[in-house]
Amino acid sequence: DAKTTQPPSMDCAEGRAANLPCNHSTISGNEYVYWYRQIHSQGPQYIIHGLKNNETNEMASLIITEDRKSSTLILPHATLRDTAVYYCIVTLGGGNTGKLIFGQGTTLQVKP
Amino acid sequence: GAVVSQHPSRVICKSGTSVKIECRSLDFQATTMFWYRQFPKKSLMLMATSNEGSKATYEQGVEKDKFLINHASLTLSTLTVTSAHPEDSSFYICSARVRDRGYEKLFFGSGTQLSVL
Repeated sequence: DAKTTQPPSMDCAEGRAANLPCNHSTISGNEYVYWYRQIHSQGPQYIIHGLKNNETNEMASLIITEDRKSSTLILPHATLRDTAVYYCIVTLGGGNTGKLIFGQGTTLQVKP
Repeated sequence: GAVVSQHPSRVICKSGTSVKIECRSLDFQATTMFWYRQFPKKSLMLMATSNEGSKATYEQGVEKDKFLINHASLTLSTLTVTSAHPEDSSFYICSARVRDRGYEKLFFGSGTQLSVL
């Protein structure tokens, strides 16, 4: 699986958009970008995933660059409950996610 | 989304005893489950892949005789930490592969905090 690079921490004001970047310059053509988050002392929660097109769901938006070497997770209106560690993972997706290898992630602190 | 139930949520045991952690898929069948461990302020580390009806596949450096995994049914996988020692104290998390809206994703249990005295 391709490695990903994320900033270790970020702050965001409550109500503002949180933009979390991820670099995955060695991603291969059949690998997807997945985002999970982990709130303290809980199991990770699936957020969103994509291959090459931008994606949006009820939780977030995922913007993938045209060369697919980086992506950004956008939480449009961050709340205090969005404070968590966010993991960007690149893996085989679609019909077979394979195993997810977690990196260090980005700790997002949403402040009032 | 799919629900993965993990039990117990917290366990304290004496050194040398064995501890069993259960991971159940409540509303779906999971042919594949994964077990992770996590130390404080660290990321999740994959321990093993559990396949229903066959032997688990362990990641490099994980002792299979120490961490026994059984996946006897399509809704239950268990992790047994044998002869636990203080260094086995950790947060253990299971996950199940689920097909959802045409894609496969992993849904995670809520984790088990193991403390070995």
